[in-house]
Order: sequence, then structure tokens, then C-alpha cells
Amino acid sequence: EAQVTQNPRYLITVTGKKLTVTCSQNMNHEYMSWYRQDPGLGLRQIYYSMNVEVTDKGDVPEGYKVSRKEKRNFPLILESPSPNQTSLYFCASSPPPGQGAREQYFGPGTRLTVT
Amino acid sequence: SQQGEEDPQALSIQEGENATMNCSYKTSINNLQWYRQNSGRGLVHLILIRSNEREKHSGRLRVTLDTSKKSSSLLITASRAADTASYFCATRDRGSTLGRLYFGRGTQLTVWP
Repeated sequence: EAQVTQNPRYLITVTGKKLTVTCSQNMNHEYMSWYRQDPGLGLRQIYYSMNVEVTDKGDVPEGYKVSRKEKRNFPLILESPSPNQTSLYFCASSPPPGQGAREQYFGPGTRLTVT
Repeated sequence: SQQGEEDPQALSIQEGENATMNCSYKTSINNLQWYRQNSGRGLVHLILIRSNEREKHSGRLRVTLDTSKKSSSLLITASRAADTASYFCATRDRGSTLGRLYFGRGTQLTVWP
């Protein structure tokens, strides 16, 4: 089944404790992206990657890191989480912009709470 | 902000009625997409309309795009309780990096049985 998976689905952590949220897709998509969703603010793009070893900042990259060493994986790293990073996080993937329809396929979300 | 804006923020209707949601945006776009999100879950792509298209249909969905007004509408006909969800528009701007996608804040649709 074609899908985007995220782990963990739920995480409660403390300020300053490094964490990684994994994202994996099995559709051979070149493009992957991370979003955070907050009440009243909609979805905001954190980082995206057009291909392996190619990453770029979105609207709200501060406090986050990403890496794209393999096509299927795009982990989101919070080196020193803070309470304002408490949010619902979504990973998404899609075919590259030059190839037909470019809808994004979303993962199920990771609800992160930083205390 | 280049974010799209959906209107209304919330919409409550009875089953069988039509639901119309609007999206306004600020810049020239390559395409506009509509997504649906059930509470707390991932977004699901509904329909994509390109900047050179004016109307598109998919089942009970009808999307229009008016690039002169920088607006789009999503019409759900003969709504069902299962249509209850949040609906988001997303734009891929013509002038920006291809990887950037801008989402609105969403319309919360409630369909009562």
C-alpha cells in the first residue's frame, strides 16, 4: 500500500531533550516536506526536500533540522525542543513538480508536546 | 504572508444541502489544490486545478478558479454527514521556489444528519 509513515505518532518530552521524528514513504517520490499545524494558523511549511541531499527552508524552519540521505526517508530533528514547538506535525511527499499531478500525500501526523 | 485564506472559517449545514467554501490568495499561482482533513488526521488531496483552468469536477466536488480575482471555490453537492471535516486550499506560487506550498487556515464543515 502506498503510504507515508511517521513515528512516533505521539510524543511528550521535556525542554532541551533532542528528538527525531521519522518519516518514510514507499512511493519513490523525490519531493518530501514537513509541516506543523497549530490552531488558528493552519499548516505551515518547516522544511522541504526536492531530492536526496537537497533541502530548503520553508516558512518556519527555526529550531528544526532535516536530512535527506535516502530518497524514502526525511527525518525531522529538534536539537533542543522548546514549549513553542508543541504542535501537530505532518510529513508529506509528492512526485517532483515537473511530472504531472503534484498532489501531496500526507502521513498520519505526530502530536508533540514539549513541557 | 502568501498563505491562502478560506472563507468561511466554519460552516454548518444539513445533510443533502450544498456546501460552498471559498479561498482567496495573494500571488500568481501555478495551481491550486484542495485538501480535506478529518479531525487530527493527515490531509487527503481532493482536487487540483491549474492556473489555466476555470472549473473542474470530481464526483460531488466542483472547483472553480478565478485568477483575475485570485480566488477559488469548492462546492460539495448533496452533502453527507461523512463530509464533516476541515477543508484547506493550498497554492503553489508561480514565482516562488517550486517546493513551496502555502496552505490556508481551513474551513471547518459540519454536516448534520
